[in-house]
Amino acid sequence: EIVLTQSPATLSLSPGERATLSCRASQSIKNYLAWYQQKPGQAPRVLIYDASNRATGIPYRFSGSGSGTDFTLTISSLEPEDFAIYYCQQRSDWPLTFGGGTKVEIK
Amino acid sequence: QVQLVESGGGVVQPGRSLRLSCAASGFTFSSYGMHWFRQAQGKGLEWVAVVSYDGRNKYYADSVKGRFTISRDNSKSTVSLQMNSLIPEDTAIYYCTKELPGISVAGSWGQGALVTVSS
Repeated sequence: EIVLTQSPATLSLSPGERATLSCRASQSIKNYLAWYQQKPGQAPRVLIYDASNRATGIPYRFSGSGSGTDFTLTISSLEPEDFAIYYCQQRSDWPLTFGGGTKVEIK
Repeated sequence: QVQLVESGGGVVQPGRSLRLSCAASGFTFSSYGMHWFRQAQGKGLEWVAVVSYDGRNKYYADSVKGRFTISRDNSKSTVSLQMNSLIPEDTAIYYCTKELPGISVAGSWGQGALVTVSS
């Protein structure tokens, strides 16, 4: 199965700062990568699909890039509601797999 | 708007069975693949199973293959997960999800159903 490795595990930043989250795949997944955000006690929600496409209703401060094995989620300027856990997920092959998550916490 | 409502969760002994159901509304159910994901307390997300829009194709995570069965009823806009031979490692919140159009990305999620496998 395709293994996704997210880094860092925790990112400590202040509101207004830029967040850069990484997801690396164990083999090429083309651009078949999605990013989800999960807040405590809530179901996840999709932010980005196919590496760089924002899902409906997602603010412009969220952007995704990458292809092949290396991907990045960027939050241009952190809002208070952006402090959460972020997961990447590949859809290149079955089984669908997730990275272990990056927690973005308030510094 | 899209609504996904899971039911059927609860506490069950190891080796027993449980059936989760998900009632969908707010979209053309028969046009979308549907997935189940799960998340153990304090852990990450795990994909469990998918059924295609027409019910013809199904895929499972290795951890549940042979024990879980996903199915759908397009006439009732429901998707189900039959879970047999449950083990403690199956303890998790189970989420029913609707794909984004044509791709295996969970565009909409239910609130989740808690399944606890314990003696």
